[in-house]
Amino acid sequence: KAGVTQTPRYLIKTRGQQVTLSCSPISGHRSVSWYQQTPGQGLQFLFEYFSETQRNKGNFPGRFSGRQFSNSRSEMNVSTLELGDSALYLCASSPTEGGGQPQHFGDGTRLSIL
Amino acid sequence: GQNIDQPTEMTATEGAIVQINCTYQTSGFNGLFWYQQHAGEAPTFLSYNVLDGLEEKGRFSSFLSRSKGYSYLLLKELQMKDSASYLCAVRDISMNTGFQKLVFGTGTRLLVSP
Repeated sequence: KAGVTQTPRYLIKTRGQQVTLSCSPISGHRSVSWYQQTPGQGLQFLFEYFSETQRNKGNFPGRFSGRQFSNSRSEMNVSTLELGDSALYLCASSPTEGGGQPQHFGDGTRLSIL
Repeated sequence: GQNIDQPTEMTATEGAIVQINCTYQTSGFNGLFWYQQHAGEAPTFLSYNVLDGLEEKGRFSSFLSRSKGYSYLLLKELQMKDSASYLCAVRDISMNTGFQKLVFGTGTRLLVSP
């Protein structure tokens, strides 16, 4: 069974640009959660999608948005990039919503803002 | 609000036993996870506790006390490959919306030396 796939693995952008990250969950998993990981803050929850609906949202500005498609694949978009957005962005999939079952993480997209 | 505390770093020697503590304060609690994350890799699921007590899985055990807001991960017969970060994550329920999400601590970096 294929794991969670995130693309691209690495990305370099400049301030003010926008970026779209992609996450393909494990087959059969309908929940996709996104996290930002930085050395000082650890993993911080961005949002969760389940059956194409955003179910929960963390404390991030509106520049961070996402969506989920009918095949459960999810995308995350960050607009007007800032230096502080440099981080590892992880997505995790699960059969059910709300973190009730173990989440399976992808290898992440490392985003660097110059 | 939510607050999860773990030690930043711990060191131990091969063959020894180490206990990684996690204390938490959340508005609504519905379970606690431990994840392992090797440098540059995705977090992987280790254990889940929702009831008080000890859950044992091979060399790894996890304990939960809901009344004390406390958990620990116990690693026995340490091996070099156990050098990694260990993440404590609480399943938090929003009292306003009823939605649930995982809230992660900043992680404990464990270094196992020969």
